[in-house]
Amino acid sequence: EDKVVQSPLSLVVHEGDTVTLNCSYEVTNFRSLLWYKQEKKAPTFLFMLTSSGIEKKSGRLSSILDKKELFSILNITATQTGDSAVYLCAVGVKVGAQKLVFGQGTRLTINP
Amino acid sequence: EAGVAQSPRYKIIEKRQSVAFWCNPISGHATLYWYQQILGQGPKLLIQFQNNGVVDDSQLPKDRFSAERLKGVDSTLKIQPAKLEDSAVYLCASSLDRTGAEQFFGPGTRLTVL
Repeated sequence: EDKVVQSPLSLVVHEGDTVTLNCSYEVTNFRSLLWYKQEKKAPTFLFMLTSSGIEKKSGRLSSILDKKELFSILNITATQTGDSAVYLCAVGVKVGAQKLVFGQGTRLTINP
Repeated sequence: EAGVAQSPRYKIIEKRQSVAFWCNPISGHATLYWYQQILGQGPKLLIQFQNNGVVDDSQLPKDRFSAERLKGVDSTLKIQPAKLEDSAVYLCASSLDRTGAEQFFGPGTRLTVL
């Protein structure tokens, strides 16, 4: 069975800190790894990674994929209170059609 | 560009009742997904449509859940009869093609079954 595991499940830091969120996976027919931010209800897309070792950056957020060790990390530098959210990792797998398998999420709280 | 629309936003029902959710995807998006997100968990795919055909419904509890996308645009998800464990947020998402690489999510419907 395809499995995506995120750690930690919950993280509380102070504004300005740097955080690293982890995502490991065991799936068949890997196609991609995606990160989403979920604040209220709808997850919003952050990154899609398909190649190992190539960092993707967007402002203070960055992410990298290691397809040999089967994990990805999401880094957030100089955190702000607006970064407080649940961060979801999803792996795209192709079994017939392609679908996303989500991890359970990391709840990040940034205190002022 | 309008996003994925869902209604209702909230629904409270008693167990054994029926409920239906509606989703209108982003215009031109061929692939539509329904997810169930139980509190504290990540979304779980229930069913995936490519235009008006089902491509994956392996995790849909077919004894009580049904979904359709008759004209290849909007979709409805029905639960009949509801159980307590169906309490969750039901998310609809769409993507331009069937690779599903970038899915756009609607605001979801929060269902509470009493």
